[in-house]
Amino acid sequence: ELKVEQNPLFLSMQEGKNYTIYCNYSTTSDRLYWYRQDPGKSLESLFVLLSNGAVKQEGRLMASLDTKARLSTLHITAAVHDLSATYFCAVDTIKGDTGRRALTFGSGTRLQVQP
Amino acid sequence: DTGVSQDPRHKITKRGQNVTFRCDPISEHNRLYWYRQTLGQGPEFLTYFQNEAQLEKSRLLSDRFSAERPKGSFSTLEIQRTEQGDSAMYLCASSRTRGYNEQFFGPGTRLTVL
Repeated sequence: ELKVEQNPLFLSMQEGKNYTIYCNYSTTSDRLYWYRQDPGKSLESLFVLLSNGAVKQEGRLMASLDTKARLSTLHITAAVHDLSATYFCAVDTIKGDTGRRALTFGSGTRLQVQP
Repeated sequence: DTGVSQDPRHKITKRGQNVTFRCDPISEHNRLYWYRQTLGQGPEFLTYFQNEAQLEKSRLLSDRFSAERPKGSFSTLEIQRTEQGDSAMYLCASSRTRGYNEQFFGPGTRLTVL
């Protein structure tokens, strides 16, 4: 069974600081997604990482994928309060019994950026 | 707005009652997914449709749960004889058949069972 682990689960940081969220997964996959979720809201797609070594950047967020290490990172540069949210990684794998591509989510990292 | 929509956004019900939720996917997406999300957790897969065919159901989907997607357009998720443990956010997502499996999520229906 695929396991997806994010750490930290909770992160409180000050504005202007940098930090990295880690997403480790237990089986082979070449596709990984990062989503953002605000309290009481649905998931917003941030990044789609489709190959080993993929790096995507949008504003103060940068995501990378190392399929050999089964690791993705979400790096936050010079955090601002508006980035406060919960961030989920989701690993895309092919289910052996149906051949369907499936997303398995981590537990999320709740980020609080203090002004 | 051409995103995924869900109705209702919030539902409060008493234990033992039946509830039904609706999801309208993005119009050109023929794959539709239902997920359940409890507090502090990531979404967990419930069921999957390609067009009108329900191709997969999770073990989380007990006999009290049923989902349909008539004509391959909107979908409904019904929970019969609700229990307090059913309280959660129910999320619908859709994706294309071709290309990678990027799923676009609706706003969710928050169910509270008293």
